[in-house]
Amino acid sequence: GNSVTQMEGPVTLSEEAFLTINCTYTATGYPSLFWYVQYPGEGLQLLLKATKADDKGSNKGFEATYRKETTSFHLEKGSVQVSDSAVYFCALSDRTARAGKSTFGDGTTLTVKP
Amino acid sequence: NAGVTQTPKFQVLKTGQSMTLQCAQDMNHEYMSWYRQDPGMGLRLIHYSVGAGITDQGEVPNGYNVSRSTTEDFPLRLLSAAPSQTSVYFCASSSVTGEQFFGPGTRLTVL
Repeated sequence: GNSVTQMEGPVTLSEEAFLTINCTYTATGYPSLFWYVQYPGEGLQLLLKATKADDKGSNKGFEATYRKETTSFHLEKGSVQVSDSAVYFCALSDRTARAGKSTFGDGTTLTVKP
Repeated sequence: NAGVTQTPKFQVLKTGQSMTLQCAQDMNHEYMSWYRQDPGMGLRLIHYSVGAGITDQGEVPNGYNVSRSTTEDFPLRLLSAAPSQTSVYFCASSSVTGEQFFGPGTRLTVL
C-alpha cells in the first residue's frame, strides 16, 4: 500500500535559517505529491504540489521537487520567518486509485524563534 | 465561495451520548473525507465518499457512521460517544487532481 514518511520533529530554527523537511514515499502507480501546512487552531491548507517527476512546486518561498528516482519530495525554504511556525504534512494522492483518498505523513512541527 | 464548512467548532459530550458533526462543501467535489487528528498521531482517515450514495471505511471507522445523500453534505455520526473519541475532527473535499480542501475542524471532548 501507499505510505509517506516524514522527518521526525519537532524542528526549531532561528529566523533566517535554512529549512529542510525530508519526505519520502512508497506508492503504486504515479502519485501526485503535496505539502500542506497547519497553523495553530486551523485546518490544513495546501502549501504546494507537484504532479509528475521532476516538477518543482513552490509557494511563499517554499519549494519541493518531485524526485522519482529517490521517491522523495523534500520541503525547503532559504530563510524562515517566525510566521512559518506551523505543522507541515507531506501527502500523496495516487491517481490510479480514488483521487479523494490521500495518504499523509505524521506531520513535522516547525518552530521559528526570533 | 465558502469552501468546506464544519459545525460545531467545539462540542462536549458525555459518554454514551450521540451526535452528528456537520460538513458541507460548495466546490462540487465528488470526493469527501473525514479525519481525526490526535497529538502525535497525524491524521487518520475515518470514512470517505466518492460521490452521493457511495461511502467506504477508512482506517479507524469503528464508532462512526456516515451517509452521503447529496454532493454537498457529508455528516459524521458518533453513535455512542466514548472518551477515546476525544479528538479534533476534520472534513475535507478533494478535487480530481487529489488536492484536499479542509474545513476548520471540530474539537470534541467526551467526558
